[in-house]
Amino acid sequence: QLQASGPGLVKASQTLSLTCSVSGGSMSRGYYWTWLRQFPGMSPEWIGYTSYRGDTLYNPSLNTRVTISVDPSNNQFSLRLTSVTAADTGVYYCARENAGNLFDFWGPGTLVDVSS
Amino acid sequence: DIQMTQSPSSLSASVGDTVTITCRASQAIDNYLAWFQQKPGKAPKSLIYAASSSHSGVPSNFLGSGSGTDFTLTINNLQPEDFATYYCQQYSRYPYTFGQGTKLEIK
Repeated sequence: QLQASGPGLVKASQTLSLTCSVSGGSMSRGYYWTWLRQFPGMSPEWIGYTSYRGDTLYNPSLNTRVTISVDPSNNQFSLRLTSVTAADTGVYYCARENAGNLFDFWGPGTLVDVSS
Repeated sequence: DIQMTQSPSSLSASVGDTVTITCRASQAIDNYLAWFQQKPGKAPKSLIYAASSSHSGVPSNFLGSGSGTDFTLTINNLQPEDFATYYCQQYSRYPYTFGQGTKLEIK
């Protein structure tokens, strides 16, 4: 199971920080621990991933603002998105990409509202 | 980025009907195509992977097909619980991308 946590309200120009807790298994090799987001009425957007070793890949559209990190000892991975605006308001999901490149587990999502 | 274009964007149908949703990729993606179902307030749920393979537990009335750039999701004998939004997603190349969605509503 995956569960994201973090502030539901972030002020514009500040940094959005979320943590995903992974339970029911270890963050072993073979998986990519992923963040996605979904704006109201829109399809999901892939933000990026980290491996358990800390290898990362980001969506080029967010590359300069996003950092995904991992803490395998605590079964957690995190998202930082800097300089947020109202356009970053949406539901943020953590998910697992398996060895077949499929998103096989998703957290329930957490709503983040960026206020001015 | 690979663009995924779904049609229609919305669809009205009745219980027992058969519907087809199409998804077109802006470049060939072999069969690296998944279909998701999403209900309000919930995370997307994966139905189909590799264009035509069903995940365990997915009802047999969901059928995926296609390869290359053109794909379809057919839902036979619609049940009340099938009314939801459906997304295709390519996993051929990063950044992975989703279609814009098809909202299936009860007529």
